Amino acid sequence: LAKTTQPISMDSYEGQEVNITCSHNNIATNDYITWYQQFPSQGPRFIIQGYKTKVTNEVASLFIPADRKSSTLSLPRVSLSDTAVYYCLVGDKGSLSSGSARQLTFGSGTQLTVLP
Amino acid sequence: NAGVTQTPKFQVLKTGQSMTLQCAQDMNHNSMYWYRQDPGMGLRLIYYSASEGTTDKGEVPNGYNVSRLNKREFSLRLESAAPSQTSVYFCASSAGQGTGNTIYFGEGSWLTVV
Repeated sequence: LAKTTQPISMDSYEGQEVNITCSHNNIATNDYITWYQQFPSQGPRFIIQGYKTKVTNEVASLFIPADRKSSTLSLPRVSLSDTAVYYCLVGDKGSLSSGSARQLTFGSGTQLTVLP
Repeated sequence: NAGVTQTPKFQVLKTGQSMTLQCAQDMNHNSMYWYRQDPGMGLRLIYYSASEGTTDKGEVPNGYNVSRLNKREFSLRLESAAPSQTSVYFCASSAGQGTGNTIYFGEGSWLTVV
């Protein structure tokens, strides 16, 4: 099972670019990398997903090196409203065996605090 | 577009009481999940249902039971509530079983057991 490791917390200032890296050394061939954002008192919501190289959408970019053992979520020009916890999840789109149910557990995530 | 709807949003229980958290999704998803989140912690999986008619234990199933009533609905029952079950509960769903499928969450249910 691909276990993920992220920094516990990060601080940034408004207008800066923020990069949050997730380590997943045991990623499997079929695994995708997905990032979620959670605001206080809300459920997590999908930000971005990728398999390799670079993916960009309207809110973030995801950089995945060739070996896929890590990934970096990039948030351009953050604002105060980007203060949240960010989770990295690794897993495939196929069937789960009972032993892989732990893939469905989110880690502690990275608390990003954007300062004025 | 409602997405994932869970009720109630807030509940206070006395130790030993029972209750059921209801969850419904309108996205025709096959897989549904119940998580709990304690203050300052990540989400821990309680139970999940990979498809209609199946349920499996997650990381922290003790003290809970679930029912996948139909494709839309997945309920979580606390038979005899304990203070350790004070938490925020999130229901979620996804099109397929793997975590490579986007997981959509409800707004959460705040449960306090006194």
